[in-house]
Amino acid sequence: DAGVTQSPTHLIKTRGQQVTLRCSPKSGHDTVSWYQQALGQGPQFIFQYYEEEERQRGNFPDRFSGHQFPNYSSELNVNALLLGDSALYLCASSPGTGKNIQYFGAGTRLSVL
Amino acid sequence: DQQVKQNSPSLSVQEGRISILNCDYTNSMFDYFLWYKKYPAEGPTFLISISSIKDKNEDGRFTVFLNKSAKHLSLHIVPSQPGDSAVYFCAATSQRLGSTLGRLYFGRGTQLTVWP
Repeated sequence: DAGVTQSPTHLIKTRGQQVTLRCSPKSGHDTVSWYQQALGQGPQFIFQYYEEEERQRGNFPDRFSGHQFPNYSSELNVNALLLGDSALYLCASSPGTGKNIQYFGAGTRLSVL
Repeated sequence: DQQVKQNSPSLSVQEGRISILNCDYTNSMFDYFLWYKKYPAEGPTFLISISSIKDKNEDGRFTVFLNKSAKHLSLHIVPSQPGDSAVYFCAATSQRLGSTLGRLYFGRGTQLTVWP
């Protein structure tokens, strides 16, 4: 049973560029959440998708957007990259919105130069 | 505003002894609490959780205690093993409808080192 998978593992971009990160949830899970983890910090909630809609959103600007596909996989898009967007981006899945235990992927390490 | 706080960035414990990791929260809407363990280059791994209707939950060597009046929880690991060395994150959420539903609020983590 595959867990949560994320791609790519690492990514290097320059300021102003756009990036797309991908996530496949754990089998049987239909809810995907995205988190940003800056160095030395805990993960910060970006948003959550369920039934292909954004259900919850954290305190992140509109440059951060997402999508969920019918197979429950998800993408995180970040436009107009800033140096401060450099972080580990984590995807988590759960069996239904409001289900408390979320299972995380290994993350995508984004470096913005 | 940090709603979940882990005030000890690091903890060093000898193998076989007890490790106690602490966590405080400020939001009274939180009613479900989780501990995650994270190794380098891996995502957080769920360890143990507790609902606010309980004050203790045990799973093998891991026990979580919740003190609602003090808005404090702790994770006890007995006995500690070198393989337990990792960053431990405390997280909180709410099972009630509202802006907190479905989102986890994390502390900054505590680096646990268990030495032989």
